[in-house]
Amino acid sequence: AQKVTQAQTEISVVEKEDVTLDCVYETRDTTYYLFWYKQPPSGELVFLIRRNSFDEQNEISGRYSWNFQKSTSSFNFTITASQVVDSAVYFCALSEAGISGTYKYIFGTGTRLKVLA
Amino acid sequence: SAVISQKPSRDICQRGTSLTIQCQVDSQVTMMFWYRQQPGQSLTLIATANQGSEATYESGFVIDKFPISRPNLTFSTLTVSNMSPEDSSIYLCSVEHYNEQFFGPGTRLTVL
Repeated sequence: AQKVTQAQTEISVVEKEDVTLDCVYETRDTTYYLFWYKQPPSGELVFLIRRNSFDEQNEISGRYSWNFQKSTSSFNFTITASQVVDSAVYFCALSEAGISGTYKYIFGTGTRLKVLA
Repeated sequence: SAVISQKPSRDICQRGTSLTIQCQVDSQVTMMFWYRQQPGQSLTLIATANQGSEATYESGFVIDKFPISRPNLTFSTLTVSNMSPEDSSIYLCSVEHYNEQFFGPGTRLTVL
């Protein structure tokens, strides 16, 4: 069955520190997608990245980077030089194609990141 | 990107009543999703709504409790029926658009 595990419930760092948020997933499909979302205190979910199962290249976007390793079923997210505005809950998610072609999304329990000034 | 609006943004309702939440997208999309996020929790998929067909519900969610309409490619409604305090949650509408998933701002529901 699908499962997404974010073992870190809450992380606190001091501004400018680097921080890595862990995500481990379980799936029986060979074709799937992985996502990261940010949910700031305002509550809206902000899409950060989508990665398909065939693309294991690491990705960097500004201060954000993602490390996808199929061998360990992990899709970790690193914020470099963290800022107070990075404080939010971050969700990792997995989707697989269903029989009818629709996608089912499973979210992890989220990691609350607190960046202290 | 797809811009999603939801109405109402929040509501306080009495036990036993029903609330219909509207979701409007600025683009035509095939699939729309409804999620629930209970306080301090992750998102749980309630159902997937495709235009022109019955919604597909996830385990633990039934049509009688959460009827969904999908009259066209830009609009959907979710009704929370016969509400109880356990239904107090944020309800989010979501769409898949050009390989990205977008979420609405959510409807914060409190049931007294």
